[in-house]
Amino acid sequence: AQTVTQSQPEMSVQEAETVTLSCTYDTSENNYYLFWYKQPPSRQMILVIRQEAYKQQNATENRFSVNFQKAAKSFSLKISDSQLGDTAMYFCAFITNTGNQFYFGTGTSLTVIP
Amino acid sequence: DAGITQSPRHKVTETGTPVTLRCHQTENHRYMYWYRQDPGHGLRLIHYSYGVKDTDKGEVSDGYSVSRSKTEDFLLTLESATSSQTSVYFCATLDRGHFMNTEAFFGQGTRLTVV
Repeated sequence: AQTVTQSQPEMSVQEAETVTLSCTYDTSENNYYLFWYKQPPSRQMILVIRQEAYKQQNATENRFSVNFQKAAKSFSLKISDSQLGDTAMYFCAFITNTGNQFYFGTGTSLTVIP
Repeated sequence: DAGITQSPRHKVTETGTPVTLRCHQTENHRYMYWYRQDPGHGLRLIHYSYGVKDTDKGEVSDGYSVSRSKTEDFLLTLESATSSQTSVYFCATLDRGHFMNTEAFFGQGTRLTVV
């Protein structure tokens, strides 16, 4: 069975500082896609960043970057220069190349403190 | 923005009544999903569809059924609503084209309260 684990239910960070959200997953497949989604208080789900498992290079999107460790099955999200608008619930997710189920973790609630 | 519409957006219903939630997409995506979101549990998959009339169960499918008679619509039915089904329900579609297009798009969510 495939699983996604986010071990930090809540985190906080000072504005302009850097924070890292953790995610581990379990799959026996070799090729898959990993994602971080953001859910602000509006409830809308927004794609933050994605990574394909066969790519060694870590994905970056402006202030957001990932640390993808395939052997350790770890996919952490780093947010640099945190802004008040980053306050949200963050979900780690993945789907295998051959599967149909899109799996989500339990989420990390991030609060950016002014 | 992807055209994913959920209806209704809010509903209050009584225990034991059937309830149907609708997800409508204009993106022609093959894959569609229903999730429920509860505090401490994240998004849990209820059912999903990988094509017209092709559906399968997720991890929390008991008490729910789905139907997909055309690409654009995916219906979730609570056969006999219970208070444990009070939740926020999300529909999602998945674009599985080239990797850089692989992304799940979400509806706005439906808040369902069973009293």
